[in-house]
Amino acid sequence: QKEVEQDPGPLSVPEGAIVSLNCTYSNSAFQYFMWYRQYSRKGPELLMYTYSSGNKEDGRFTAQVDKSSKYISLFIRDSQPSDSATYLCANGGGSNYKLTFGKGTLLTVNP
Amino acid sequence: GAGVSQSPSNKVTEKGKDVELRCDPISGHTALYWYRQSLGQGLEFLIYFQGNSAPDKSGLPSDRFSAERTGGSVSTLTIQRTQQEDSAVYLCASSLDPAGALPNSYNEQFFGPGTRLTVL
Repeated sequence: QKEVEQDPGPLSVPEGAIVSLNCTYSNSAFQYFMWYRQYSRKGPELLMYTYSSGNKEDGRFTAQVDKSSKYISLFIRDSQPSDSATYLCANGGGSNYKLTFGKGTLLTVNP
Repeated sequence: GAGVSQSPSNKVTEKGKDVELRCDPISGHTALYWYRQSLGQGLEFLIYFQGNSAPDKSGLPSDRFSAERTGGSVSTLTIQRTQQEDSAVYLCASSLDPAGALPNSYNEQFFGPGTRLTVL
């Protein structure tokens, strides 16, 4: 079993829709959960991260971790065409440098 | 400021040839990472450098793969006798010392644009 499993998509939504992206993880030792966004032919860039469980909000983006079910979610409100990218979830631990990534979900937001 | 840079951006080679991929991390970042991204496999960790030392090489897929870092800065990933299954995007990232991260904080790994390697 891969340590981080991610819904493969692809996902296509109309502009303005609420998007839900999801992952599950298996290694409970790691406390940090990240969402990276990757545009075509570019490197991933950190969107946001959470430590342990709970929610974190940044503008139109909300990251949620449910440690009881080992579930990681990213919600995008009022999605825009510029949000079209591959979204990668990952987890790791503060001094544990090694990030384990999901395979990524390709999102397309149609104008 | 300047981000992580990688060269070349694209590399096409013939099976059996050796290739060298270069990474220039963000100035002041002591930690450097190599990942490989291939279709169907996602992003896979290859190797981690702290300064010039590589305490974790566990992700290198075979002994054909090696990496070094000099002067605590530039790193080179070398693949010898390339095979078609080596075709992938090789990504480099750098960060501040992860061991120095404050509790509840994360020393972000900043990624370069990658080198797209095609082995014919």
